Amino acid sequence: GENVEQHPSTLSVQEGDSAVIKCTYSDSASNYFPWYKQELGKRPQLIIDIRSNVGEKKDQRIAVTLNKTAKHFSLHITETQPEDSAVYFCAAISSYKLIFGSGTRLLVRP
Amino acid sequence: EAQVTQNPRYLITVTGKKLTVTCSQNMNHEYMSWYRQDPGLGLRQIYYSMNVEVTDKGDVPEGYKVSRKEKRNFPLILESPSPNQTSLYFCASSIFSRGQAYEQYFGPGTRLTVT
Repeated sequence: GENVEQHPSTLSVQEGDSAVIKCTYSDSASNYFPWYKQELGKRPQLIIDIRSNVGEKKDQRIAVTLNKTAKHFSLHITETQPEDSAVYFCAAISSYKLIFGSGTRLLVRP
Repeated sequence: EAQVTQNPRYLITVTGKKLTVTCSQNMNHEYMSWYRQDPGLGLRQIYYSMNVEVTDKGDVPEGYKVSRKEKRNFPLILESPSPNQTSLYFCASSIFSRGQAYEQYFGPGTRLTVT
């Protein structure tokens, strides 16, 4: 079955710097890759997603890139702000199932 | 307001006492799913449903049952809860298009403790 690996598990950056979180997946048939943000005590919320027919997608300060050949995708957050501090999860769809990475705890230091 | 609701939000129970966690969505979504979240393990899918009367196992289905008799509801049933089912549970729903589930909306979560 699908396996999604996510790195790093924790990431600390200075406010204003960029943050990059990387994920790899195993099922070459996967074609949908969402990213979720989960603040403490709250539900996961979709922040951006990408389908396999595009290589990059941007939404203001966040972007996602996908390399299907290498089977990896990344989340990029530019000009980080303290409110970006949260746990971020990548995921991949495989055979109707959504498989999540183990999460990255991002801390943005003021 | 488009939303996914779960009840109860918090539950403490004892080993072996059957319980049901309800999930309801008002977005007419075909796809619904249950996840459990444990520290260091992320979110793991328990069961999913692609439409009424169509359910299938996720990655960690042991000890759980589900049913999908109506499109809006997808209850999670623990017939004989055990302490290793202590976890935070999320229900989610999404549209199901061209054999794919997209943009899942999560409920607020149910924190279950089994003693």
